[in-house]
Amino acid sequence: AAGVIQSPRHLIKEKRETATLKCYPIPRHDTVYWYQQGPGQDPQFLISFYEKMQSDKGSIPDRFSAQQFSDYHSELNMSSLELGDSALYFCASSLASNEQFFGPGTRLTVL
Amino acid sequence: AQKITQTQPGMFVQEKEAVTLDCTYDTSDQSYGLFWYKQPSSGEMIFLIYQGSYDEQNATEGRYSLNFQKARKSANLVISASQLGDSAMYFCAMRVNGGSQGNLIFGKGTKLSVKP
Repeated sequence: AAGVIQSPRHLIKEKRETATLKCYPIPRHDTVYWYQQGPGQDPQFLISFYEKMQSDKGSIPDRFSAQQFSDYHSELNMSSLELGDSALYFCASSLASNEQFFGPGTRLTVL
Repeated sequence: AQKITQTQPGMFVQEKEAVTLDCTYDTSDQSYGLFWYKQPSSGEMIFLIYQGSYDEQNATEGRYSLNFQKARKSANLVISASQLGDSAMYFCAMRVNGGSQGNLIFGKGTKLSVKP
């Protein structure tokens, strides 16, 4: 069965640089979520999209933005990167159903 | 406030034995969903089991079952016949912000170690 795809899987950036993370949800899923998991922490909700419209916002810094495109893939754009942005970033998708399926994550390291 | 509490930072279990991971939740919503995810050291989040607040039967998925006690606001995960591959971090989560599109909030997790 198709799963959520995230790219890249690993990313290394310098402070103050920008990064773009991509997510391809499971086909026909209508909702995409982004979560951030710091080292040794639980995942924290950043933002979600339902049918390409932003549906909810969590603890997402102003330096971050996200959108969902017509083909349902989503991108998380991160600017002015800080050391504290180093984390595992998950994308998840669901179809108005009970389960949220997570992608493998993008591990971002800011040096 | 909506919250998930996992009081066991780490647990050990002997291979082939059963183990219960505790989870309590706090919400004023009447309709909510409870989830368990497994996160191995490789980092991916693997969906294990789901329980809806209106489900009368406890959810089961293979060796996983969810002991749902609504009055106590608890949703404990029971893993039967533990295997070495079950060693991982386990997160309890609750869907919030209403509706089936709501995001998840997570507990701090329980690290399970299965001993041979």
